[in-house]
Amino acid sequence: DVKVTQSSRYLVKRTGEKVFLECVQDMDHENMFWYRQDPGLGLRLIYFSYDVKMKEKGDIPEGYSVSREKKERFSLILESASTNQTSMYLCASSLHQVPEAFFGQGTRLTVV
Amino acid sequence: QQQVKQSPQSLIVQKGGIPIINCAYENTAFDYFPWYQQFPGKGPALLIAIRPDVSEKKEGRFTISFNKSAKQFSLHIMDSQPGDSATYFCAASITSGTYKYIFGTGTRLKVLA
Repeated sequence: DVKVTQSSRYLVKRTGEKVFLECVQDMDHENMFWYRQDPGLGLRLIYFSYDVKMKEKGDIPEGYSVSREKKERFSLILESASTNQTSMYLCASSLHQVPEAFFGQGTRLTVV
Repeated sequence: QQQVKQSPQSLIVQKGGIPIINCAYENTAFDYFPWYQQFPGKGPALLIAIRPDVSEKKEGRFTISFNKSAKQFSLHIMDSQPGDSATYFCAASITSGTYKYIFGTGTRLKVLA
């Protein structure tokens, strides 16, 4: 079974902190994604990566950056956390040419 | 053009009923339309998907109906069960690329016992 693992289920951070959300997949997938899930807004794409060291902005990249130094790991970075970044963050991965995306369990981040 | 509009936002049905969730899109370049199911505390998981060359796809109790001319697709759950209570997301993607999905806003379904 494909497994996408997010390092934390729950995080509480203070405004202005630098926050790292980590995601690891074990199926050699080329594509990795970070989504943000908010009630009534669905899943919105923050960033995605289609290869090591490659990244592209999604629909809401402001305030975020990403890092992909190894194929299996994709990190989301909040440079200076703000309260409006309180949300559920979902990581996903997929193969090139195969449409199914596999999601992690999510990280619920609260910024106080 | 990139939006996928999903309705209703929430839905309550009795056990055995047939909930229907609808989605509409604008971009005719979309060529892959999955539905994801999400239980509380879990990430979304692929439930069923369709491509625009067919009008209907059925997997078990779940059916997608697709209307290419109207740019609409819907999920029907036959003989719904309390275990189907979850949030359902439709999505659309252009498959000549990295399968970046555009998701609908989600429908919270509750099936009463």
